[in-house]
Amino acid sequence: GESVGLHLPTLSVQEGDNSIINCAYSNSASDYFIWYKQESGKGPQFIIDIRSNMDKRQGQRVTVLLNKTVKHLSLQIAATQPGDSAVYFCAENQKGAQKLVFGQGTRLTINP
Amino acid sequence: DTEVTQTPKHLVMGMTNKKSLKCEQHMGHRAMYWYKQKAKKPPELMFVYSYEKLSINESVPSRFSPECPNSSLLNLHLHALQPEDSALYLCASSRTGDNEKLFFGSGTQLSVL
Repeated sequence: GESVGLHLPTLSVQEGDNSIINCAYSNSASDYFIWYKQESGKGPQFIIDIRSNMDKRQGQRVTVLLNKTVKHLSLQIAATQPGDSAVYFCAENQKGAQKLVFGQGTRLTINP
Repeated sequence: DTEVTQTPKHLVMGMTNKKSLKCEQHMGHRAMYWYKQKAKKPPELMFVYSYEKLSINESVPSRFSPECPNSSLLNLHLHALQPEDSALYLCASSRTGDNEKLFFGSGTQLSVL
């Protein structure tokens, strides 16, 4: 079946360091991917998305990398700040499917 | 305006109560969604409305009844809920019903006693 999984449920980094959050997916039919950030008591916040015809996309302090060969997605956050502490979810949309499939989430903690 | 607004933020109800959750967006989006999220879990899709028509019901029990009065509003009517229905209920919207760039509200934290 389809799954979107994360390699690490928790990640702690020092303030100012770069963070990398990973996500594995198993369905080669997925053609669109999104990263969401969810802070405590809030709904998921859209961070960045990428289509399957791309392998890299950059935003402000964030970069998403897509490796279709190994079905792997990652979110890189540069120069992490305390406000980056949250749970990060990847989600995939399979071509022709009717819903996003969310991964289990990674909790990112920024240490001062 | 890039917000999805949900009310109330918190709701406590008994198993015999009837209550409604409300969601509003003014981004001109034509698809709206209800998700359920248990603690420390990812959001799970419940319903999708596309162009004001129910397009997806993820086998949700009938004690949850969605309603889309117009393209900006989405309601979720609750009746005879169970304690295991306690969760964060999230509303989302997107430009079309293609599951791209969903924007979420802050949710309603529901407790069923």
